[in-house]
Amino acid sequence: AQSVTQLGSHVSVSEGALVLLRCNYSSSVPPYLFWYVQYPNQGLQLLLKYTTGATLVKGINGFEAEFKKSETSFHLTKPSAHMSDAAEYFCAVSDRGAGNMLTFGGGTRLMVKP
Amino acid sequence: DAGITQSPRHKVTETGTPVTLRCHQTENHRYMYWYRQDPGHGLRLIHYSYGVKDTDKGEVSDGYSVSRSKTEDFLLTLESATSSQTSVYFCAIAGASSYEQYFGPGTRLTVT
Repeated sequence: AQSVTQLGSHVSVSEGALVLLRCNYSSSVPPYLFWYVQYPNQGLQLLLKYTTGATLVKGINGFEAEFKKSETSFHLTKPSAHMSDAAEYFCAVSDRGAGNMLTFGGGTRLMVKP
Repeated sequence: DAGITQSPRHKVTETGTPVTLRCHQTENHRYMYWYRQDPGHGLRLIHYSYGVKDTDKGEVSDGYSVSRSKTEDFLLTLESATSSQTSVYFCAIAGASSYEQYFGPGTRLTVT
């Protein structure tokens, strides 16, 4: 069975500061990994994904994430936070099995202070 | 944006009444999913479908049933709503050859 752990249910940064949202997973097979963002009263939007190839993947809005197999991690970063980045972020993992199913972490709410 | 709509977007109902939520897609994707979102729990899978009339249970399926009679529509039914089913419900879709899911705007259900 897969599991996803997001360290820190709430993260607060100042505008212009580095954003680091942590995600660790457990999976019995090489996983596919995803980050989603959810703005208030909206659905989830795909931010970026890792399937194969380069372990550093870039997504929308200046975010990127690095797949580190040895650490079973897929942390999300952005060099400089913007007020519009305030949202909830979800890490998800797929074991590439039947049904294309995802297992989600509990989410991290990012707050950006002016 | 993926062509996914959910209806209704908001609903308030009383304990013991039946409720049906609808998910409609225009992408002709094979897979469709129903999740519930509750604070601290992220998203939890209720049921999913891998084709017309083909469905299976997810992590939190008790008290819910689903049906898919057409590729584009996936219905979630609460046969007898309970207060513990107060939640935000999301529908998602995925193509057969990719693993990312695309989400609808959600339905906020309150059971009083």
